[in-house]
Amino acid sequence: SQQGEEDPQALSIQEGENATMNCSYKTSINNLQWYRQNSGRGLVHLILIRSNEREKHSGRLRVTLDTSKKSSSLLITASRAADTASYFCATVLTGGGNKLTFGTGTQLKVEL
Amino acid sequence: ETGVTQSPTHLIKTRGQQVTLRCSSQSGHNTVSWYQQALGQGPQFIFQYYREEENGRGNFPPRFSGLQFPNYSSELNVNALELDDSALYLCASSLEGTRGAYGYTFGSGTRLTVV
Repeated sequence: SQQGEEDPQALSIQEGENATMNCSYKTSINNLQWYRQNSGRGLVHLILIRSNEREKHSGRLRVTLDTSKKSSSLLITASRAADTASYFCATVLTGGGNKLTFGTGTQLKVEL
Repeated sequence: ETGVTQSPTHLIKTRGQQVTLRCSSQSGHNTVSWYQQALGQGPQFIFQYYREEENGRGNFPPRFSGLQFPNYSSELNVNALELDDSALYLCASSLEGTRGAYGYTFGSGTRLTVV
């Protein structure tokens, strides 16, 4: 079963705009990670935020985590056509070992 | 530093057959996990191997089995294939004990089609 839900399921924006994706989860986590997937191929790790962190930045990416609301958001600033992909959040659950539990994903399309 | 490589990239099998998928972990990683991703869904955890032993399993039947070798490469075996087994199978390597603290490295996947 999926741990989380992502919102929106699909997002279409113009190049240069910002893209925001949200992820909600159900149980206590150790950390939350965001991955990108191009055209149904392998996943690429983007960023990881630990349960005791609230915000993290990496290049054009900004991730926030609200453990009280069991939610996270991924912001991509100044989007490019090359950012077109599916984005997934994945959690490492407290006491869940190392396995990742994925959300349902957001399909992002960045148009020229 | 090498990444995770999977083979084959595509595979077509007939219902009832058996299949073996292969994965070579990233150098320095001692844990390998396998995920099944159906079309339009997020990946689902199948199982994880550490030091050649299974140390975590998702909600998959026993006909899904695996092996991890001393060089940390791995195999996923699926017996008695069913049509619903058609999916992208992803292998991911990590360093055990870090609680995935540094993220996982995924391979490009094997697209399995069961007809």
